Amino acid sequence: KAGVTQTPRYLIKTRGQQVTLSCSPISGHRSVSWYQQTPGQGLQFLFEYFSETQRNKGNFPGRFSGRQFSNSRSEMNVSTLELGDSALYLCASSLVGQGSEAFFGQGTRLTVV
Amino acid sequence: GQQLNQSPQSMFIQEGEDVSMNCTSSSIFNTWLWYKQDPGEGPVLLIALYKAGELTSNGRLTAQFGITRKDSFLNISASIPSDVGIYFCAGPRVGSARQLTFGSGTQLTVLP
Repeated sequence: KAGVTQTPRYLIKTRGQQVTLSCSPISGHRSVSWYQQTPGQGLQFLFEYFSETQRNKGNFPGRFSGRQFSNSRSEMNVSTLELGDSALYLCASSLVGQGSEAFFGQGTRLTVV
Repeated sequence: GQQLNQSPQSMFIQEGEDVSMNCTSSSIFNTWLWYKQDPGEGPVLLIALYKAGELTSNGRLTAQFGITRKDSFLNISASIPSDVGIYFCAGPRVGSARQLTFGSGTQLTVLP
């Protein structure tokens, strides 16, 4: 069974640009969550999607958005990039109604210059 | 909001030694999860705990869900070089099973 797949693995963007990251969950997992990991703030929850609807949202500005498609694949978008957005962005997939176990992808390392 | 305090922040141990780390919170958690993260990779789920007092093992790893539901412990026995990495505890936000709060991590170094 394939794990969570995130693309791309690495990305370098310039301040002010926007970026889209992609996540394919484990087959059969319908919930996709996104997390931001930085040395200073650690792992922080961005948002969760299930059945193409945002179910939960963390404390991030509106520049961070996401969506989920009917095949459960998800994308997150960050607009007007700032230097502080440089981070490892992690996607996690979960079975709905099966507790809190989340399975993470390898992440996308975003560097904003 | 809910916060998880994880300790120690880092550990240096000799290969073969046992390791213990813990996570505490001022809030009650209904689930405790333990993850390991290698450099450049995403966290890997090691153990999930769902019941107060529960003790669960996964090979050389043993984790316990504290009776007060405000703490959890992870023990690694007979450490080996591949145990090196960052260990995180995590728990779901109240009312949201899949919105996880993470501890700050314990960086484990195993010396030969």
